[in-house]
Amino acid sequence: GENVEQHPSTLSVQEGDSAVIKCTYSDSASNYFPWYKQELGKGPQLIIDIRSNVGEKKDQRIAVTLNKTAKHFSLHITETQPEDSAVYFCAAISQAGTALIFGKGTTLSVSS
Amino acid sequence: DAGITQSPRYKITETGRQVTLMCHQTWSHSYMFWYRQDLGHGLRLIYYSAAADITDKGEVPDGYVVSRSKTENFPLTLESATRSQTSVYFCASTSGADTQYFGPGTRLTVL
Repeated sequence: GENVEQHPSTLSVQEGDSAVIKCTYSDSASNYFPWYKQELGKGPQLIIDIRSNVGEKKDQRIAVTLNKTAKHFSLHITETQPEDSAVYFCAAISQAGTALIFGKGTTLSVSS
Repeated sequence: DAGITQSPRYKITETGRQVTLMCHQTWSHSYMFWYRQDLGHGLRLIYYSAAADITDKGEVPDGYVVSRSKTENFPLTLESATRSQTSVYFCASTSGADTQYFGPGTRLTVL
């Protein structure tokens, strides 16, 4: 089945710096790749997603890139702010096409 | 509009007891999911449902039972709780357009 690897597991940056989180997936048939942000004590919330027919997608300070050939996708956060501190999860749709397979998460800490 | 809710938010139980975690969504989404979240493992799928009366196993189904008699509810039952089932449980739903919406979670402790 699908397997998603996520790196790094922890990431510390200074306010205003950029942060990059990378994920690789195993199933070349996967076609949907969301990113979720989870704040302490809350459920994961979708922040951006990308489909396999698109190479890059941006939403203000957040962008996601997808390299289908290499089977990896990345989350880019520019001009980080303390409120960006959270756990970020990448995911890919499974072979069955219904359930998401998640990476193990990246804890991002933004210090001011 | 409540969206997706879970109850209880916190639960402490003892080994061997039966526990049911509730999930309710107001969007009439077809698909509903149960995940558990543990340190070092991320989010792992327990069970999911494509519609009322249709359920299927995920990655870690052992020890859990689900039912879906109504579209809006998807309860998860631990028939005989074990310490290894101490975790945070998240319910999610989607219309099938891929974006999943998560509930706030239930923190379960099995003593």
